[in-house]
Amino acid sequence: DIVMTQSPSSLAVSAGETVTINCKSSQSLLSSGNQKNYLAWYQQKPGQSPKLLIYLASTRESGVPDRFIGSGSGTDFTLTISSVQAEDLADYYCQQHYSYPPTFGAGTKLELK
Amino acid sequence: QVNLLQSRAALVKPGASVKLSCKASGYTFTDYYIHWVKQSHGKSLEWIGYINPNSGYTNYNEKFKSKATLTVDKSTNTAYMELSRLTSEDSATYYCTGVRGFAYWGQGTLVTVSS
Repeated sequence: DIVMTQSPSSLAVSAGETVTINCKSSQSLLSSGNQKNYLAWYQQKPGQSPKLLIYLASTRESGVPDRFIGSGSGTDFTLTISSVQAEDLADYYCQQHYSYPPTFGAGTKLELK
Repeated sequence: QVNLLQSRAALVKPGASVKLSCKASGYTFTDYYIHWVKQSHGKSLEWIGYINPNSGYTNYNEKFKSKATLTVDKSTNTAYMELSRLTSEDSATYYCTGVRGFAYWGQGTLVTVSS
């Protein structure tokens, strides 16, 4: 199974700051056939279901604010949230869907400083 | 609009089984796999498996092969997951998810295993 390693595990921020969450996979998620990276990012607020933010490493899901930016390729990926707002406080997970079984990172908790 | 409506929370005794449901609406049920995901309290997410509603074909995470059984009822656009021989380790929230991979999620079903 592909292991997904996220860092940091938690992050304390002030509103308006820019934050970066990292995700590293134990194998490349880049398909040689179509040059796409099969990496997604999810946001989960307390008591809610996960919500898809980013897929194929950098494509924002419909309706997701453009302050959420996914980047990276191969084995190293980043979710950047620019100008964090109070509503962004949540847990964030990366997930690979390059091969079965799909696997998730351990999560990053974004908290208020 | 796509909606995945899951069954209510369940309290079950150790050793028993429980069958969870996930009713899909707002899209053609047979067009997309339904995946099931486990989240233990305060923990990350684990993929259990998927079912192809069109063919009934299933693919399980090796870890859950003897624990979970996935089925569908195309007549009611409902997917089911039965969990067997429950222990305290199975206490968790279980989600169904699907449509373009994992784009839509049900609200989750909390399963508590306790005597």
